[in-house]
Amino acid sequence: GIQVEQSPPDLILQEGANSTLRCNFSDSVNNLQWFHQNPWGQLINLFYIPSGTKQNGRLSATTVATERYSLLYISSSQTTDSGVYFCAVEYDKIIFGKGTRLHILP
Amino acid sequence: DTGVSQNPRHKITKRGQNVTFRCDPISEHNRLYWYRQTLGQGPEFLTYFQNEAQLEKSRLLSDRFSAERPKGSFSTLEIQRTEQGDSAMYLCASSIVGARELGEKLFFGSGTQLSVL
Repeated sequence: GIQVEQSPPDLILQEGANSTLRCNFSDSVNNLQWFHQNPWGQLINLFYIPSGTKQNGRLSATTVATERYSLLYISSSQTTDSGVYFCAVEYDKIIFGKGTRLHILP
Repeated sequence: DTGVSQNPRHKITKRGQNVTFRCDPISEHNRLYWYRQTLGQGPEFLTYFQNEAQLEKSRLLSDRFSAERPKGSFSTLEIQRTEQGDSAMYLCASSIVGARELGEKLFFGSGTQLSVL
């Protein structure tokens, strides 16, 4: 089956720093989504981005489908950005990576 | 619309008992997914439905697990003869397939935390 790898697995940053999270996938996919899981466990959809670039406030994402990767950028990070970030890819069903655990220090 | 709703939020059971969870998707969403998540891991695919049809069930899932989606609305996930290894967060998600402008954007419920003693 398709493999989804996320890096880095863990990231600790000072408030105000910028970060880049990466998602690699092993085969062509129909779409890709980024999620944030907050400390209470709720998964929130950040981006639906099968290709190209999207921006939403301090967050942006880029997917290069031909090279099988996606990047999530977080600028001027805040403590509320802490949590786990997952990418999920769809070829027939939707499969998740293992996530990047982000901890923003005040 | 109140989003994806899951009940109960927490379930504690003894090993060997049967449990059933319910998921109410966003109305008009035709696709429904069940995932399982353990601490430190990403959501693991269990099964999914398109309307009332179950399209796929994970090969990792034993026969003790069964899911239904009668009439293509709410869904139930039943675990028979629970084992301690079944302890996890069970997540439900829904999406609408066929709306080109939306793609298959997935919306999650808050999950049901199962503890098997």
